[in-house]
Amino acid sequence: EIVLTQSPGTLSLSPGERATLSCRASQSVRSTYLAWYQQKPGQAPRLLIYGASSRATGIPDRLSGSGSGTDFTLTISRLEPEDFAVYYCQQYDNSPWTFGQGTKVEI
Amino acid sequence: EVQLVESGGGLVQPGGSLRLSCVVSGFTFTTYAMNWVRQAPGKGLEWVSSISGSGGTTYYADSVKGRFTISRDNSKNTLYLQINSLRAEDTAVYYCAKGGYYQYFFDHWGQGTLVTVSS
Repeated sequence: EIVLTQSPGTLSLSPGERATLSCRASQSVRSTYLAWYQQKPGQAPRLLIYGASSRATGIPDRLSGSGSGTDFTLTISRLEPEDFAVYYCQQYDNSPWTFGQGTKVEI
Repeated sequence: EVQLVESGGGLVQPGGSLRLSCVVSGFTFTTYAMNWVRQAPGKGLEWVSSISGSGGTTYYADSVKGRFTISRDNSKNTLYLQINSLRAEDTAVYYCAKGGYYQYFFDHWGQGTLVTVSS
């Protein structure tokens, strides 16, 4: 099983600042089969990024994904009020598909 | 517009059973894998099970293998999760999620249905 470790656990930032979220895998994720999701309280998760760097439909370009192998990053270039949420990474290279434990981005 | 609507959750005693359903619309159901993901109260996301577009291939998390069964009725655009031998640790919101094209990321989600296991 591929274990994903996200850091930091909580990121305290202000609107307009840059957010950098990390996701590290316990073994290489081939073909960059890594996704990122955003979840707000009381809501279902929303897909942001798939294939490590491809934005899902409707996702603004201030959000970007990068990385390969075991190290992946989600960057939000300029935080907007609606970006304060919990973010999860997920690998879909090998079953069982696994999620990281999440990073909370708070004001 | 893609829509996924789950139903079937509720309060059940330990050892009991439930069948969750997810009716979908807005895309060609048979083309895409479908998935169940759960979230215990105040916790993170946990993948539960997946099924290929044809229904011929299924995957399960070790925590539910042998107790949960995923299936789909492509004539009814409906995904199911039969959950048996329920335990307290199965208490969670269960989300139905559409897979990517031959890939197991989750590009659309339902609103979730709450399963509570308690005596």
